[in-house]
Order: sequence, then structure tokens, then C-alpha cells
Amino acid sequence: ELKVEQNPLFLSMQEGKNYTIYCNYSTTSDRLYWYRQDPGKSLESLFVLLSNGAVKQEGRLMASLDTKARLSTLHITAAVHDLSATYFCAGRMYSGGGADGLTFGKGTHLIIQP
Amino acid sequence: GAGVSQSPSNKVTEKGKDVELRCDPISGHTALYWYRQSLGQGLEFLIYFQGNSAPDKSGLPSDRFSAERTGGSVSTLTIQRTQQEDSAVYLCASSRMRAQETQYFGPGTRLLVL
Repeated sequence: ELKVEQNPLFLSMQEGKNYTIYCNYSTTSDRLYWYRQDPGKSLESLFVLLSNGAVKQEGRLMASLDTKARLSTLHITAAVHDLSATYFCAGRMYSGGGADGLTFGKGTHLIIQP
Repeated sequence: GAGVSQSPSNKVTEKGKDVELRCDPISGHTALYWYRQSLGQGLEFLIYFQGNSAPDKSGLPSDRFSAERTGGSVSTLTIQRTQQEDSAVYLCASSRMRAQETQYFGPGTRLLVL
């Protein structure tokens, strides 16, 4: 069974600062996803990481994957208030038997203060 | 183009009643997923469809939950004899095919069982 743990679960930071959210998973996952959720809204896809060493960047967000360490990180550079949201990582345990549902972490509730 | 749509957006029901939740995936997407999100349990995978068949029902919490998909498009999640612990946001997602990288989520149905 795949388990996904994120930390921290809550993060309050100031605009302009850098920070990293960590996502550990328990067993082999053939891909790692990052999603963003605003209050009362659905999930917005940010990144999909497919292989060891994968790094993707979009604006102030950068995600990376280390499959050997079973660790993904989401790095925020020079945070701005608009990035305040809850961020989820998710893995998929591909068994070839149809187990395509994602296993999500508990989410990191990020507040960025002016 | 149009994203995943779900209806109703909100549903209030009495304990013991049956409810039906509907999901319209993105046109051309053959894979469809149901998840639920609650404060206590976070985001949980319920069921996955590839076309009209459901190779993975592993996440359905009890036999009161069932789902079907017709014509490879619209899906209905049915909860019979609802209980208060069924209160949650039920999210639907779709992807073009099983190997597609990203699952695109709908806005969700917020279910409250009184």
C-alpha cells in the first residue's frame, strides 16, 4: 500500500521568502503529482514528475523528484500572496492491474503574509 | 475547452436517503476517477473507470456505494442509505487514457447528510 506524507502541514511565511514543502512516499510510485487547491475550489494540476531527477518549474514554483529517496519537493521562491493555497502531493502505485487511483498526502496549508 | 463538470454542486439530504452524484468528464477522456475529500480523512480514491468498465473499485468504503459509467462518458456515483459520515466533497477527475500524465478534477459535489 502506498502512503504519502507531507510536511509541514501548515506554513505561514512572509512575502519574498523562500521555502520548501516535502513529500515522502512509502513504496514505488511510477509518478508523483503536485496539485494546488484554493479554499472552496477544486484541485488544479501543477506538476507531474515521471522519473528520477525530474525537475519542473513554473513561475515561482519548482518541483523535483528523487525516486531513490522516495522524496519530492516543492520549492517556493520569493513567495507572493497569490501563492497562498493548500498544496497536495500524490503518488500512483502502478500495478498493471488497474490501480490507477492517486494516493494523496494530507496537504500543506500555505499562508503568505504581506 | 470545457473541463470536468459535476452536479449538483451542493446536496443536503437526510440520513437513510439515497443520493446520486453526476460527473461529466472532459470530452475524449476515457479514464474517469471518483475521489472524496473530508476533513477527517483527507482525499481518498474511490473508484476508477476505463471506458465503461471499473477495473479498480478498491476505494469504495462500503457496499452502499456504487458507480456506473455509460457510453464511455457520464458517470453516476450512488450512495444508498446515506449516513452522516458520508458527508464530504465528492470529486470527479478524468484523463485522456490510463497512461495520461494528468488527472483533471471537477469542481466537486458538496454532500451534507443530516
